[in-house]
Amino acid sequence: EVQLVESGGGLVQPGGSLRLSCAASKFTFSSYAMSWVRQAPGKGLEWVSSISGSGGNTYYADSVKGRVTISRDNSKNTLYLQMNSLRAEDTAVYYCAKPGYSSSWSRNYDYWGQGTLVTVSS
Amino acid sequence: QSVLTQPPSVSAAPGQKVTISCSGSSSNIGNNYVSWYQQLPGTAPKLLIYDNNKRPSGIPDRFSGSKSDTSATLGITGLQTGDEADYYCGTWDSSLSAVVFGGGTKLTVL
Repeated sequence: EVQLVESGGGLVQPGGSLRLSCAASKFTFSSYAMSWVRQAPGKGLEWVSSISGSGGNTYYADSVKGRVTISRDNSKNTLYLQMNSLRAEDTAVYYCAKPGYSSSWSRNYDYWGQGTLVTVSS
Repeated sequence: QSVLTQPPSVSAAPGQKVTISCSGSSSNIGNNYVSWYQQLPGTAPKLLIYDNNKRPSGIPDRFSGSKSDTSATLGITGLQTGDEADYYCGTWDSSLSAVVFGGGTKLTVL
């Protein structure tokens, strides 16, 4: 079955940086756009960013635009999220998510990783 | 607050039926597919319904989805204690150019 395993979360000071990774397996990674979705403690889901299968197109939520960069390495079946200028409001569990359709990254997410917690605090 | 509006909580007895609403606008639900996710305590979200009313393999037919105009509804019949979870609706918003989710609904099976 499809597996998505996130890593890279942790405690970081405001203004700091962090790079999250998501190792994917059991599907043709390069054929699918991939996304990051976050969930602040006790709050709902918030879409963060998506990237096309080739990596040539990227999309960002307004709340992170200019501070976050999504990328992927299809040779390693790995998705990344580089987060800079982190703020307290970025504190959340970050999930990587696979879309249900290879032709659409925004229609639905049929597999989610277990999430990695990012805490921004001094 | 969230672009999609869900009731914060719903409750019903075991064996009963419950519905969860998700209200939006023409820029999101009105012209795009809706999906529903179940999030059990301490776990990642799980796809329950996609394309308004389709169930992924392995999802029992106790779960159903529908859409009308700018609103969507998740229905759960034959409630079980294991259904206690948070439920989220999601869709694409053409005006925001973003995937949007509802604020989530906590289901309690009394």
